[in-house]
Amino acid sequence: DTGVSQDPRHKITKRGQNVTFRCDPISEHNRLYWYRQTLGQGPEFLTYFQNEAQLEKSRLLSDRFSAERPKGSFSTLEIQRTEQGDSAMYLCASSFIQGAGELFFGEGSRLTVL
Amino acid sequence: DAKTTQPPSMDCAEGRAANLPCNHSTISGNEYVYWYRQIHSQGPQYIIHGLKNNETNEMASLIITEDRKSSTLILPHATLRDTAVYYCIVWDYGQNFVFGPGTRLSVLP
Repeated sequence: DTGVSQDPRHKITKRGQNVTFRCDPISEHNRLYWYRQTLGQGPEFLTYFQNEAQLEKSRLLSDRFSAERPKGSFSTLEIQRTEQGDSAMYLCASSFIQGAGELFFGEGSRLTVL
Repeated sequence: DAKTTQPPSMDCAEGRAANLPCNHSTISGNEYVYWYRQIHSQGPQYIIHGLKNNETNEMASLIITEDRKSSTLILPHATLRDTAVYYCIVWDYGQNFVFGPGTRLSVLP
């Protein structure tokens, strides 16, 4: 499968714990995006990378959230000291710069904070 | 905030054309109109995009009004598998994609 893959698909954690999600983009894509989606809402932009550089972060990305993309390949999104309000689907997408409008999304990682 | 307005829901009979409207009255000259859809429990899927001219691909057609203030996504022969949330987005290079709540299309047998 050469699409965007995300891991884990589901994560249940207790409030206060740290969680990390991984995204493997399509290999030739140089842009990588993270979105968050709650029930009944459209995806909300969190941050995006061009190669290894993090170019934009939403104000939704509080200090407890950190994203990295070492070497411009896979990316991780870490949430520290999780809160119940962090429960959501975390979506990763990738694209070419040239075709930057066509995002390819993964299946998402669903987080439930108890 | 999303720059588009879409009806929250629509129904369409299986086999008929589904016409999904989108208003984007503040669109600027360099902004494209993009359509994505999201089937339950999956990530959004790109459908089509356009700037000024009407566009067609194997999935759908996109009709953009001459003043570019609105557009319509057309699924020519809707099937049950087209039941999904459809998002209309205006976008330009240098912006990030802002998804609104979209239109929930239900294709009925």
